[in-house]
Amino acid sequence: SQKIEQNSEALNIQEGKTATLTCNYTNYSPAYLQWYRQDPGRGPVFLLLIRENEKEKRKERLKVTFDTTLKQSLFHITASQPADSATYLCALVNTNAGKSTFGDGTTLTVKP
Amino acid sequence: DTEVTQTPKHLVMGMTNKKSLKCEQHMGHRAMYWYKQKAKKPPELMFVYSYEKLSINESVPSRFSPECPNSSLLNLHLHALQPEDSALYLCASSPRGQGIRGYTFGSGTRLTVV
Repeated sequence: SQKIEQNSEALNIQEGKTATLTCNYTNYSPAYLQWYRQDPGRGPVFLLLIRENEKEKRKERLKVTFDTTLKQSLFHITASQPADSATYLCALVNTNAGKSTFGDGTTLTVKP
Repeated sequence: DTEVTQTPKHLVMGMTNKKSLKCEQHMGHRAMYWYKQKAKKPPELMFVYSYEKLSINESVPSRFSPECPNSSLLNLHLHALQPEDSALYLCASSPRGQGIRGYTFGSGTRLTVV
């Protein structure tokens, strides 16, 4: 079965720096990969979608890359702010099965 | 309206009780989902409804019973739950099945089984 690993459970960085989160996957080649933000006690919020034929996607301070050879996606937040502190989840879209599988998430803390 | 609304926000129930969780969306989405999330874990898919028909049941115990009365509403009926069923229950929707363009999640129902 497909397996998803997000690089670390927690990441602490200083305000203004770039946060880089990693999502690695095995046993599957998804056509789509999604990133979500989740705040404590709330549902995940969809941030970005990247397709297998796209190398990079940007949205404001967010950038996502997708390397299907390495089976890896990187999620970057530039000029990070304390308000960016949250758990970030990647999700692989299995179009054959009609569902997505989420990674365990990385909890980002941006210190002022 | 770009929201998924879940009620109640919190629920405490005994192991012999029967209760229901409700979910509503008015975005015209035709796929709706129930997820279960334990602390510090990712959401786990339970059920998928596509065009008001149950399309995926992830081998969920029968004490959880989903219902989709119409394209805007999704219910989860609970009966004879166990303490280990305590979790955050999330409803989500997407324009079509597969959720390629992303899911819109509700804020969840925090369920405690005593």
